[in-house]
Amino acid sequence: AQTVTQSQPEMSVQEAETVTLSCTYDTSESNYYLFWYKQPPSRQMILVIRQEAYKQQNATENRFSVNFQKAAKSFSLKISDSQLGDTAMYFCAFMKQPNDMRFGAGTRLTVKP
Amino acid sequence: SQTIHQWPATLVQPVGSPLSLECTVEGTSNPNLYWYRQAAGRGLQLLFYSVGIGQISSEVPQNLSASRPQDRQFILSSKKLLLSDSGFYLCAWRPYTGTTQETQYFGPGTRLLVL
Repeated sequence: AQTVTQSQPEMSVQEAETVTLSCTYDTSESNYYLFWYKQPPSRQMILVIRQEAYKQQNATENRFSVNFQKAAKSFSLKISDSQLGDTAMYFCAFMKQPNDMRFGAGTRLTVKP
Repeated sequence: SQTIHQWPATLVQPVGSPLSLECTVEGTSNPNLYWYRQAAGRGLQLLFYSVGIGQISSEVPQNLSASRPQDRQFILSSKKLLLSDSGFYLCAWRPYTGTTQETQYFGPGTRLLVL
């Protein structure tokens, strides 16, 4: 079974600084997909970034980037130039089969002014 | 562009009452559809998914059921609600084809409180 672990229940960062959220996963598969979703207070789940396991290059979306370490089964999210609007729960997700997405327990990020 | 709707946004129901939550997707055809539940302060748990009309797969045995009467409509139901059914219910869709077919996109959610 695939499991996703987010070891940081809560984190905080000062506005304009950089923060890294950790995620590890357990799988014996070689082909899979990884995602980071953001859930602001509105509770809408918003896709932040996705990574295909077969791609060695780390995904980047504006201020958001990942550090994908396949051998270590690690998938961390780096948020640069943090903004107040980044305050949210962040969920790491793993998917091998198209209809089997597994989520971590989440990290609550607070951006302080 | 594609949009996903859920209603109601909030629902308060007594124990033992029936439930019907609706999810519809616009702007796409033959999507895969999903129902998730999120307990307070927790991650998401997949409840049901559907790859087509009338095709439902259940991930967790429970008091709930799902139906897909139309291509872009997904309904979550219960005949008798339990206190443990309280939570935040999210519907999601995934494109049938395309470069982002591995990605699930979520609706705004329904907050259910069973008293």
